[in-house]
This record gives sequence, C-alpha cells and structure tokens, in this order.
Amino acid sequence: AQSVTQLDSHVSVSEGTPVLLRCNYSSSYSPSLFWYVQHPNKGLQLLLKYTSAATLVKGINGFEAEFKKSETSFHLTKPSAHMSDAAEYFCVVSGSGSARQLTFGSGTQLTVLP
Amino acid sequence: DVKVTQSSRYLVKRTGEKVFLECVQDMDHENMFWYRQDPGLGLRLIYFSYDVKMKEKGDIPEGYSVSREKKERFSLILESASTNQTSMYLCASSFSETQYFGPGTRLLVL
Repeated sequence: AQSVTQLDSHVSVSEGTPVLLRCNYSSSYSPSLFWYVQHPNKGLQLLLKYTSAATLVKGINGFEAEFKKSETSFHLTKPSAHMSDAAEYFCVVSGSGSARQLTFGSGTQLTVLP
Repeated sequence: DVKVTQSSRYLVKRTGEKVFLECVQDMDHENMFWYRQDPGLGLRLIYFSYDVKMKEKGDIPEGYSVSREKKERFSLILESASTNQTSMYLCASSFSETQYFGPGTRLLVL
C-alpha cells in the first residue's frame, strides 16, 4: 500500500518570495507522483507529475518538484509567489491497481500575503 | 480539453432521502472515480469503475453505491442520506494515471 504525508497543513509566504510545500511518500514499488492544486470553489487541476523520467519535473505556472528517492520526498517549489497561487495543494501517489487509483495527502493551504 | 461535469454544484437534502449525484465525461475514458473531500482529510476514494457495469469499492464505500450503465456516465447514490455524508463530492475520470476532475458537488444533509 502507498501513503502520502504533507508536512505542513498551512504555509504563508509574501508575494515575490519562494514557495516550498513539502511532501513525503511511502510506496512498495516505484510510484508515479503528482501535485494537484485546488482554487476556492473549483475542482482539482493537475500541476505536474513524475513518472520515473527526469527527477526534476516542471509544471504549470512556474511550479516544479524534485523526486528524491533516498529521502522519499517530492517537494513542490516556486521561485517567486504570486497572489494567484493562493490555493490548496495536494500531493498524490498512484497505486498499482487496475485503474491506477490515487492516494491523496491531506493538503497544504497556501496563503500569499501582499 | 478534457471535460468532466457534475450535475449540481450545491445540493441540500434531508436525512433519509435517496440522493443521486451524476458525473459525465467527454473523453471516452475507461476509468471513473468518486471521492469525498473533507477539511484536513484530503480526498478519500468512495468507489471507482474501470469499465461499463464494473465497479470496485474504494476506501470508504459504506453508505454509498454507484452505477455505470454507459461509459461516459458514473452515478453516486446515497441510499439513505445521513448528516455525516455532508461533504464535497468530486468525480474524476482517467485513461491511465492522470485523473481529470469535475468542479465538485457540495452536499448538505439536514
């Protein structure tokens, strides 16, 4: 079985400063990993995914994540936060079942201060 | 663009009512999923389907059932709604690993 731990339930940054959202995973095989974002009253949107190619994955809106197998981590970063980045972010690991079910972390709420 | 639509954005029901939540996708995806989202718990999988008329239980299937009669449509049924089923319900579809989500239905059970 797989699991995901998002280490911070809330992160607050000032506009223009770097963003770091932390995620650790546990899996008995080589998983695929994802970050999804959810803006208020909206569905989830895929930010980026890792599927065992390059360990540094670039996503939309300037976000990127680095897969570190030795640390079982998949942290999400952005060099400079924008007000529109304020949202909830979910780290997700895929399963090995027939439909490749996903397991979600509990989410990190990102606040961007002016 | 992949489109996943859900029949209602907001729904208010009474305890004991039968509730139907509908989800439709337009990408001919094999897999469809129903989740509920609660603060601090992330998304939890209720049921999923990998083919027409096929379904499997997720992590929290109790109190729910599903129906998939056509490939594009996946319904979630609350046979007798209870207050602890007040939540945000999200539908998703996928061909491989990447899931595409609908906007969600916020259900309030009084």
